[in-house]
Amino acid sequence: QKEVEQDPGPLSVPEGAIVSLNCTYSNSAFQYFMWYRQYSRKGPELLMYTYSSGNKEDGRFTAQVDKSSKYISLFIRDSQPSDSATYLCAMRMDNTGNQFYFGTGTSLTVIP
Amino acid sequence: NAGVTQTPKFRVLKTGQSMTLLCAQDMNHEYMYWYRQDPGMGLRLIHYSVGEGTTAKGEVPDGYNVSRLKKQNFLLGLESAAPSQTSVYFCASSYRLYNPNTGELFFGEGSRLTVL
Repeated sequence: QKEVEQDPGPLSVPEGAIVSLNCTYSNSAFQYFMWYRQYSRKGPELLMYTYSSGNKEDGRFTAQVDKSSKYISLFIRDSQPSDSATYLCAMRMDNTGNQFYFGTGTSLTVIP
Repeated sequence: NAGVTQTPKFRVLKTGQSMTLLCAQDMNHEYMYWYRQDPGMGLRLIHYSVGEGTTAKGEVPDGYNVSRLKKQNFLLGLESAAPSQTSVYFCASSYRLYNPNTGELFFGEGSRLTVL
């Protein structure tokens, strides 16, 4: 079993839709949770991060962490064609060290 | 700031050939990483470095070597390329301590390697 599981999609939605992207994980020691966005033929870039459980909102993006269920989500409101990308979840246990655990990524296309 | 720069961006090799990928970062980051990204496999850590002169193995180190002679540079070498090493390679860097104000991993744009 992988440490982090993510549905690869692909996911296709009309412009303006609400998008929900999810990851599950098996290691209860994870404390820091991140979402990276990767455009085609580019490197991943940090989109959102959350520490421990709870919600964090940044514009149209909301990240949720439910540690009791070992489940994290990224919601995109009023999705735009520019949101078309692959979204990778990532997590780590503490704020030092080098171990980042990545999901395989979900490919999202927002249709105008 | 250029951030993380990888060279070359594309390369085609024949089986058995050797090559080196160069990663350079201008953010004074302590940590540097090499990942490979394959369809359905996600990002897998090959090697990493926690400082100048130090390297360590990641999840998939076989067939690769690395060196970090200068803090800003991290080299990934393939001594005898194999078709299984066809992939997109990403270099990344980060501060030693997590800083939410400056982000986590900073990635380069990738190097696409094909081994025939």
